[in-house]
Amino acid sequence: EAGVAQSPRYKIIEKRQSVAFWCNPISGHATLYWYQQILGQGPKLLIQFQNNGVVDDSQLPKDRFSAERLKGVDSTLKIQPAKLEDSAVYLCASSLSSRPLRQETQYFGPGTRLLVL
Amino acid sequence: LAKTTQPISMDSYEGQEVNITCSHNNIATNDYITWYQQFPSQGPRFIIQGYKTKVTNEVASLFIPADRKSSTLSLPRVSLSDTAVYYCLVGDMNRDDKIIFGKGTRLHILP
Repeated sequence: EAGVAQSPRYKIIEKRQSVAFWCNPISGHATLYWYQQILGQGPKLLIQFQNNGVVDDSQLPKDRFSAERLKGVDSTLKIQPAKLEDSAVYLCASSLSSRPLRQETQYFGPGTRLLVL
Repeated sequence: LAKTTQPISMDSYEGQEVNITCSHNNIATNDYITWYQQFPSQGPRFIIQGYKTKVTNEVASLFIPADRKSSTLSLPRVSLSDTAVYYCLVGDMNRDDKIIFGKGTRLHILP
């Protein structure tokens, strides 16, 4: 079974530039999550999709971050404009259930490491 | 949400059994305990989940005492490749509880 795919794996940009990350969840998984992981900390949930609808985006900085999951499969996370403090690993995860049960096993991708200069 | 407390770091040697304890004094009746493992440059990976007593799989064992205020992840005969960060999470399996990763326990296995 193919895992969660993310691209790019690494990205370096200057502050105030824009960047986008892409995630392809495991086939058939209804729920998709985006996390931000700052060095030395655990992942922090940014947004959760149930199929193509947003379940929780309470920790997403909406003035600069946006995400979409068209057709309930792939997802993109965008930062515009980026700030220095956005330097982090952005992890995408998916889980099987169509019910928003966050204790259900989540399968994580390898992440995209972003460095903002 | 039950808050969890874990040691920040631990060292052990190859071939030893490693036990990582997580405290969750405010665990609720319907909360489950889940452990994830994260290797450098990878996303977290589910290890084990339990509600009470003992759960064992091919990777680890999870011991949960009767009061459920703590849990212990046990890794038998560790190897260098078990060097990773281990996260303990607590939440309700039947509700859309927020899942919160703490800083985890950084386990370093020495040769």
